[in-house]
This record gives sequence, C-alpha cells and structure tokens, in this order.
Amino acid sequence: SQKIEQNSEALNIQEGKTATLTCNYTNYSPAYLQWYRQDPGRGPVFLLLIRENEKEKRKERLKVTFDTTLKQSLFHITASQPADSATYLCALGDNKLIFGAGTRLAVHP
Amino acid sequence: DAGVIQSPRHEVTEMGQEVTLRCKPISGHNSLFWYRQTMMRGLELLIYFNNNVPIDDSGMPEDRFSAKMPNASFSTLKIQPSEPRDSAVYFCASTGTGTGGYEQYFGPGTRLTVT
Repeated sequence: SQKIEQNSEALNIQEGKTATLTCNYTNYSPAYLQWYRQDPGRGPVFLLLIRENEKEKRKERLKVTFDTTLKQSLFHITASQPADSATYLCALGDNKLIFGAGTRLAVHP
Repeated sequence: DAGVIQSPRHEVTEMGQEVTLRCKPISGHNSLFWYRQTMMRGLELLIYFNNNVPIDDSGMPEDRFSAKMPNASFSTLKIQPSEPRDSAVYFCASTGTGTGGYEQYFGPGTRLTVT
C-alpha cells in the first residue's frame, strides 16, 4: 500500500539557520507533491506544490525539491524564524491527497 | 473571501447520538473534501465531491458515516449513531479552477468529542 514517511521526531533549530524536512514515499508515483503548514488548533495551510517534472521550486524563504528516483522530497526554510515553528505536512496526489504524519519544527531564538 | 467555513467548531455528544457537521466552501471552488485528523492516524481523506457529485468515498469508515452536497455552497457530514472512536477533528477543504493547481484550502475544523 502507499506509504508516506516524515520524521516523527521534532526538529529543533536555532533562529537564522536553515531547516530541512524530509518526506519519503513508497509504492506510489505521484504527479504532484505538496507541502502544508499546520498550527495547533488550526487547519493545514497550503505552502508549495511541485510537479513530477520539476526538480525544485522556491517561494520566498521556502524551497522544495522532488526526486522521483529516490522517492523523496526535501523542504527547506532558510533564515528560519520563531514564527516558522509549526507542523509541516507532506501530501501526495492531485485531487485525492495522501498526507504524511507531519514533522514538528521548533525554531528557538 | 471568508475562506472555508465550518460549524460547529466544537461538538460534544453522547455515544449513540446523531452528529451533523457543516461546511461552506470558498465561493467558486468546485471540489470539496472531508478529512478526519487524529493523533494515531493523522489526516485521512473521508470523501470528496466534484461539482456536488461524490467522486470517492472509499475513506468513509463505516455505514454510520454519510455525506451530502446539495448545492455548490453547502455540504454536511453526518455520523449516526456516533461512537467514542469517532472523536477527532474533522476538516473540510475546497479547491477549484483558478487556484493554479490542486492546492486545497482548509477550514478551521470541528473538534468532535463522543463520550
């Protein structure tokens, strides 16, 4: 069955550093991969979408890579800030999305 | 735009009672999704509609769950009878042409507690 793996342990980093989150998947060849941010008590918020024929996509301080050979996506936040602290979810698919469990990021001043 | 609107925000009910969750998608969006989120299972898709028609309900856990979309601006998710294991946060999301892709816009969720 399709499986998505994200680091279950929280990622703690210092303000100003680059945060890198990983999303690995198996038994799936998605045409699209998305990243969402979720704050406690709120719904997920869309951040970036990358297509299978795109290697990399950027939006302000965010960068996503998509390696269909490794079946992996990396999500980077450069010059991280405490306000970036949240849970980040990886999702595969187009209309029917399969979500990973998410990785909690904590950025410390 | 007000975004996706869900009601109620919190619902506490006793086992065996009927529960109805409501969703108003973003105006102009033609796809609507119902998700359930728990610590154990994460965010799971229950059902989605396209142009008010149910397309995939394979995620609906049991016959106790049903969903309707009578028009483009309203959808309901009903649980009858409710059980303690239905306790979760239920999200509604929408997307559609003009969003640039398949990104989904989520509502604030309904936290359901069944005692």
